[in-house]
Amino acid sequence: DSGVTQTPKHLITATGQRVTLRCSPRSGDLSVYWYQQSLDQGLQFLIQYYNGEERAKGNILERFSAQQFPDLHSELNLSSLELGDSALYFCASSKQGGFYEQYFGPGTRLTVT
Amino acid sequence: QQQVKQSPQSLIVQKGGISIINCAYENTAFDYFPWYQQFPGKGPALLIAIRPDVSEKKEGRFTISFNKSAKQFSLHIMDSQPGDSATYFCAASRNSGNTPLVFGKGTRLSVIA
Repeated sequence: DSGVTQTPKHLITATGQRVTLRCSPRSGDLSVYWYQQSLDQGLQFLIQYYNGEERAKGNILERFSAQQFPDLHSELNLSSLELGDSALYFCASSKQGGFYEQYFGPGTRLTVT
Repeated sequence: QQQVKQSPQSLIVQKGGISIINCAYENTAFDYFPWYQQFPGKGPALLIAIRPDVSEKKEGRFTISFNKSAKQFSLHIMDSQPGDSATYFCAASRNSGNTPLVFGKGTRLSVIA
């Protein structure tokens, strides 16, 4: 158990809908990263937050957005969903200082029908 | 442009044998190289990581070898066991890991008895 929690575990929704994925980092970790895992693209970085502020952006679609709250949990919002958005979404967290190891949560499997 | 290239895509090893997975990177600014192990339905789990100031790091049956001049690093699993059957990902990042990870495409390892 990495200490990173994600909810829900599974999500099935229809095209055009909007969903919110939630992540709680390990205790004391200030950075949260979101990654998408699909069969054809592998593990791709989406966005990073550090202590409530956006730190880095990767291949994140304009239809996707995220935020990190004062209690450090983070939410990833996916809107106008398309079939191609079906994937596993992982969040990872890391401490400030030291070796910055990133620890991954169990993921949310999103299926868009 | 794939910044981290991983091979082989799949690997079958006899129980007790040595599993070897290779990765090559392009960005010389990378200074942190972790390996992750992922079982079906689970999130990637940090296995072992190395920095370019050392050429080898060993933790139990797992060893990372690093060749800075060739921009290559590899994972060796000694005495491979059926329980090691999983997908392995190499990754790289900058600033001692305080930036998003760039992942290889993964290697599916099967250890057969």
